Amino acid sequence: EVQLVESGGGLVQPGGSLRLSCAASGLTFSSDMLSWVRQAPGKGLEWLSQISSSSSTMYFEDSVKGRFTISRDNAKNSLYLQMNSLRAEDTAVYYCVRGGWGQVVDYWGQGTLVTVSS
Amino acid sequence: QAVVTEEPSLTVSPGGTVTLTCGSSTGAVTSGHYPYWLQQKPGQAPRTLIYNTNNKHSWTPARFSGSVLGDKAALTLSGAQPEDEAEYYCLLWHSGGRPVFGGGTKLTVL
Repeated sequence: EVQLVESGGGLVQPGGSLRLSCAASGLTFSSDMLSWVRQAPGKGLEWLSQISSSSSTMYFEDSVKGRFTISRDNAKNSLYLQMNSLRAEDTAVYYCVRGGWGQVVDYWGQGTLVTVSS
Repeated sequence: QAVVTEEPSLTVSPGGTVTLTCGSSTGAVTSGHYPYWLQQKPGQAPRTLIYNTNNKHSWTPARFSGSVLGDKAALTLSGAQPEDEAEYYCLLWHSGGRPVFGGGTKLTVL
């Protein structure tokens, strides 16, 4: 059974940083493209970032470009999202997703809530 | 940036048929946009129902089907069940592999 479990969310002040993690199991992690998608409270979905299996290719949505970094550790079956210079509008549930451009999007994690507030 | 549009809300009767559509501000939606449809119920993560226009995952109920109708992607639900009441999101891949979600359609089964 494929499982994606996000962690690392919480309350952070504007301008602060946070690192999200996604632990994967039940899949061939090192072969998979992985992505982060977020959803602000009561709002729709926003595709943030994706990373290829070898970390050679990455994509970032304009709203987070230069502030967020995506990375992965294939030895630990883990995906990360480093978020810097956080703003109130970054408040959202962040989902880890298997797939992206060039690979079918199928499994989603349950999400982790990030709240940016003073 | 492209804007993807969906009906804000639709209502279908139990056992009825409804079609949700997904358009793009860049022009006609084609299979080259690799349209996706996702379902999200309150308090839950999204679930991918349809990918690449009309392909289903193993968990996708047979009553859901995807297509391109005219210049839009479409999700058709035939034989609606109460458990199909949810928010449905369209996802299109624009030039260069840029993914853009629609704003979602709130589907009521009533």
